[in-house]
Amino acid sequence: DVKVTQSSRYLVKRTGEKVFLECVQDMDHENMFWYRQDPGLGLRLIYFSYDVKMKEKGDIPEGYSVSREKKERFSLILESASTNQTSMYLCASSLTSASGSSYNEQFFGPGTRLTVL
Amino acid sequence: KNQVEQSPQSLIILEGKNCTLQCNYTVSPFSNLRWYKQDTGRGPVSLTIMTFSENTKSNGRYTATLDADTKQSSLHITASQLSDSASYICVVSGVIQGAQKLVFGQGTRLTINP
Repeated sequence: DVKVTQSSRYLVKRTGEKVFLECVQDMDHENMFWYRQDPGLGLRLIYFSYDVKMKEKGDIPEGYSVSREKKERFSLILESASTNQTSMYLCASSLTSASGSSYNEQFFGPGTRLTVL
Repeated sequence: KNQVEQSPQSLIILEGKNCTLQCNYTVSPFSNLRWYKQDTGRGPVSLTIMTFSENTKSNGRYTATLDADTKQSSLHITASQLSDSASYICVVSGVIQGAQKLVFGQGTRLTINP
């Protein structure tokens, strides 16, 4: 079974703090993703990575950065947390198919609910 | 605009009853469509995937249908159980502005009452 783990289930931070959200997958997947999920808006892609040290902006990258130093680990960084970044953050991973598509089934972690005060 | 619209937003039914959730999309060209189940406080888990040529696919008590001509999909749940209480998310994969992308629906929140 694929397992995607996230470092914290719940996190409370103050405005201006630097926040690290960690994600680890154990199935040697090439692709990893960070989403945020807000009521009424569904999942929105922040950043994704298709290889070590590679990253691509998603639909809402502003205020976030990412790091992928090892294949199994993908970190989301909030350089200076703001209240509008209060949200549920979901990490996912997937394989790259033989055709090169990165959009095989994505396996999600349990999520981190971040509150910024 | 490439969108995925789900209806209803929320649904409450009694245990043992059947229900159908709807997903309409405008994503084109279309690659595949997945239904995910998300339990409260958990990440989404894939239930089914359907490609352009598939009309129906079952996974236990869950049956997904796809009409690629009308760009509609449905998820039918038979003999609902309390554990079916969750959000169900429709996700369409397609080529948008030259890149393969996923477009997520907002989800339907299903509550099963005893």
